[in-house]
Amino acid sequence: GAVVSQHPSWVICKSGTSVKIECRSLDFQATTMFWYRQFPKQSLMLMATSNEGSKATYEQGVEKDKFLINHASLTLSTLTVTSAHPEDSSFYICSARGGVEQYFGPGTRLTVT
Amino acid sequence: AQSVSQHNHHVILSEAASLELGCNYSYGGTVNLFWYVQYPGQHLQLLLKYFSGDPLVKGIKGFEAEFIKSKFSFNLRKPSVQWSDTAEYFCAVNADSSASKIIFGSGTRLSIRP
Repeated sequence: GAVVSQHPSWVICKSGTSVKIECRSLDFQATTMFWYRQFPKQSLMLMATSNEGSKATYEQGVEKDKFLINHASLTLSTLTVTSAHPEDSSFYICSARGGVEQYFGPGTRLTVT
Repeated sequence: AQSVSQHNHHVILSEAASLELGCNYSYGGTVNLFWYVQYPGQHLQLLLKYFSGDPLVKGIKGFEAEFIKSKFSFNLRKPSVQWSDTAEYFCAVNADSSASKIIFGSGTRLSIRP
């Protein structure tokens, strides 16, 4: 099946710094990618829809200036958490749409100290 | 707006017991429905999906789900669970008119006693 990778898989950063997370579709092109956030023992909450070559569409309550999304190519979307704070610590998961299905990445665990 | 409800937060079963996890969605139009599984420490995997056709869909590892449109339900079933089925199970819905985004239910944690 189609493979989606995320890098890094785990990152620790200091409060106030920015962190970039990459999401790549390895063997297919994805015009649309999605970013989710998962708190411990909770479900995935959709943060935004990333469209190649255009601005991302953010879900209600998600700060677009804090969570910057760039979908520069058909195989890469990036999520940058700007001025990170401890409450941003979470598991961030991306998915890429290939045809009618979506394929999920393994996730990135962000810890802000 | 579409939403997904999973009423069972935590289910505990013994091996060989039968399983049914409830899932209800709210959306009046055409939907695509999914069940995903997340094993401890691993990423999401697709168990099965319903797009159209036969409302009884079979997935991997002996799981199946039945789409009942009149009840807005898509319950997951397995006749005989194994210890290795211990995981978190998520029901999800994608409405045709919503630009492909998938909305997840709150998840059901399944614990199997050996």
